Amino acid sequence: EAGVVQSPRYKIIEKKQPVAFWCNPISGHNTLYWYRQNLGQGPELLIRYENEEAVDDSQLPKDRFSAERLKGVDSTLKIQPAELGDSAVYLCASSRQGGNEQFFGPGTRLTVL
Amino acid sequence: KQEVTQIPAALSVPEGENLVLNCSFTDSAIYNLQWFRQDPGKGLTSLLLIQSSQREQTSGRLNASLDKSSGRSTLYIAASQPGDSATYLCAPTVSGSARQLTFGSGTQLTVLP
Repeated sequence: EAGVVQSPRYKIIEKKQPVAFWCNPISGHNTLYWYRQNLGQGPELLIRYENEEAVDDSQLPKDRFSAERLKGVDSTLKIQPAELGDSAVYLCASSRQGGNEQFFGPGTRLTVL
Repeated sequence: KQEVTQIPAALSVPEGENLVLNCSFTDSAIYNLQWFRQDPGKGLTSLLLIQSSQREQTSGRLNASLDKSSGRSTLYIAASQPGDSATYLCAPTVSGSARQLTFGSGTQLTVLP
């Protein structure tokens, strides 16, 4: 079984530029999560999807962050414009609907200069 | 709001030692608890998942226990090896429909050869 796929693995941009991250969950996993992990800390949830519906986006900074999950499979997380404080690792995870265990991708390390 | 604390923040042991990593959480109304491993620059690998009704779960040299009423979990690693060096994160899942993981900051383990 293929794992969660994320791209790109690394991204370096200048502040005020836009950036997008892509995630392909494990086949058959209806629930998809985006997390942000700052250096030395555990991941924090940004948004959770059940199929194509965002059911928990309370932690997503909506002034500059947006996400979509068209057709309930792949998902894209966008930041526009990026700020210095957005430098972090962005992790995608998936689980079966109503399932217990979450499986994580390798993450995208974002550096904003 | 669930808060998760992991002690110690860092641990260095010689190869072959048995060790215990601690995790405490403030809200005992959890659905389950996962232990993850994170290697530098990588995503999270799920190690063990304990349901709220369980007391412990074992996988190879790893044993995780859960005392929900006191808000504590431990991860026991037997006969540690240099390949066990990584950051270990615990994450309880809140009960209810949210199924949100809340992570601690992790314990950085170094096993010396």
